Amino acid sequence: DSGVTQTPKHLITATGQRVTLRCSPRSGDLSVYWYQQSLDQGLQFLIQYYNGEERAKGNILERFSAQQFPDLHSELNLSSLELGDSALYFCASSGRGAGVSEQFFGPGTRLTVL
Amino acid sequence: DAKTTQPNSMESNEEEPVHLPCNHSTISGTDYIHWYRQLPSQGPEYVIHGLTSNVNNRMASLAIAEDRKSSTLILHRATLRDAAVYYCILRALNQGGKLIFGQGTELSVKP
Repeated sequence: DSGVTQTPKHLITATGQRVTLRCSPRSGDLSVYWYQQSLDQGLQFLIQYYNGEERAKGNILERFSAQQFPDLHSELNLSSLELGDSALYFCASSGRGAGVSEQFFGPGTRLTVL
Repeated sequence: DAKTTQPNSMESNEEEPVHLPCNHSTISGTDYIHWYRQLPSQGPEYVIHGLTSNVNNRMASLAIAEDRKSSTLILHRATLRDAAVYYCILRALNQGGKLIFGQGTELSVKP
């Protein structure tokens, strides 16, 4: 158990809909990262937050947005969903020295868009 | 982002050592070498990281070439539970901590 929790575990929805994925980092970790894993693209970095502020952006679509709240949990919002958004979404957290410290990954949320 | 090259797949026998290679010829002086693995149906898991010197921890050892253009992850005695995809990743101090995953090496372990 990494200490990172993600809800829900599975999500099935239809094209055009909007969903919210939730992540609770390990206690005390200030950095939260979101990754997407699909069969054709592999594991891709989406976005990072550090203590409530956006720190880095990767291959995140404009239809996707994220935020980190004062209690440090984070949410990833996916809107106008398309079939190609079906994937595993992982959240990870790391400690204060986020530069090279290890990241702890949650179990993921499997999103299926029908 | 500096790139890494790994074999697509490797096989090992249980209880034998495994050497997983990684080439990173464009590594810069501030790049750390990280290894993560992903077991089936799980999120990635940190294994080990290093900068210049060889490193050991309870999971594995990391051997880094003198010119830092390659490294090898060593599992001293493979178990069935070590069957996973192993990712070699370069992380720079100034890139904010994100991990850029390549294709990784899928390790299978035979009993």
